[in-house]
Amino acid sequence: DGGITQSPKYLFRKEGQNVTLSCEQNLNHDAMYWYRQDPGQGLRLIYYSQIVNDFQKGDIAEGYSVSREKKESFPLTVTSAQKNPTAFYLCASRKGQGTGELFFGEGSRLTVL
Amino acid sequence: GENVEQHPSTLSVQEGDSAVIKCTYSDSASNYFPWYKQELGKRPQLIIDIRSNVGEKKDQRIAVTLNKTAKHFSLHITETQPEDSAVYFCAATGGGADGLTFGKGTHLIIQP
Repeated sequence: DGGITQSPKYLFRKEGQNVTLSCEQNLNHDAMYWYRQDPGQGLRLIYYSQIVNDFQKGDIAEGYSVSREKKESFPLTVTSAQKNPTAFYLCASRKGQGTGELFFGEGSRLTVL
Repeated sequence: GENVEQHPSTLSVQEGDSAVIKCTYSDSASNYFPWYKQELGKRPQLIIDIRSNVGEKKDQRIAVTLNKTAKHFSLHITETQPEDSAVYFCAATGGGADGLTFGKGTHLIIQP
């Protein structure tokens, strides 16, 4: 069954700690994305990758880092430099570059204690 | 970069009535405009999209219109049903950039 899997679904972190969110897809999609969702703010682009070993900053990349070592995987690290990390994080993928449907994972909810 | 404005933030309609959600975009090079529906606790899912070479697109009770000159596009839902209750997001992309720019969302409430 093809799709995008995010883990963990819920995550709690103490201030000052880094945390990594996993995103895996078996859709054979080239492009992958990370969005942050806050109440009343819509979805904001953090990072995206159009091809293995290459990625680009989105609108709110500060305090985040990513890697794209495999086509199927695009993990997001929320670092201690992110001032307000509590949010809902959504990973998405798309078959090619440019336009076309984004397929989303079920999301990871991060809470900083 | 692209900026997408969406209105209203909350829309309450009687079951069976129509609902209209409006969005404007800033980048005249944008050429792809999807609409996503997100039910409570679930992932966003594409419900309809339109490209800049088309003025209107329909899919059963849902339609989207695009006015390139004015840089705005709208979602129309007719004969609303309880299962239409959700948050709807418009988005825009194109013009050499990648990644969708989303509006802030509209919470659609269908009153019985």
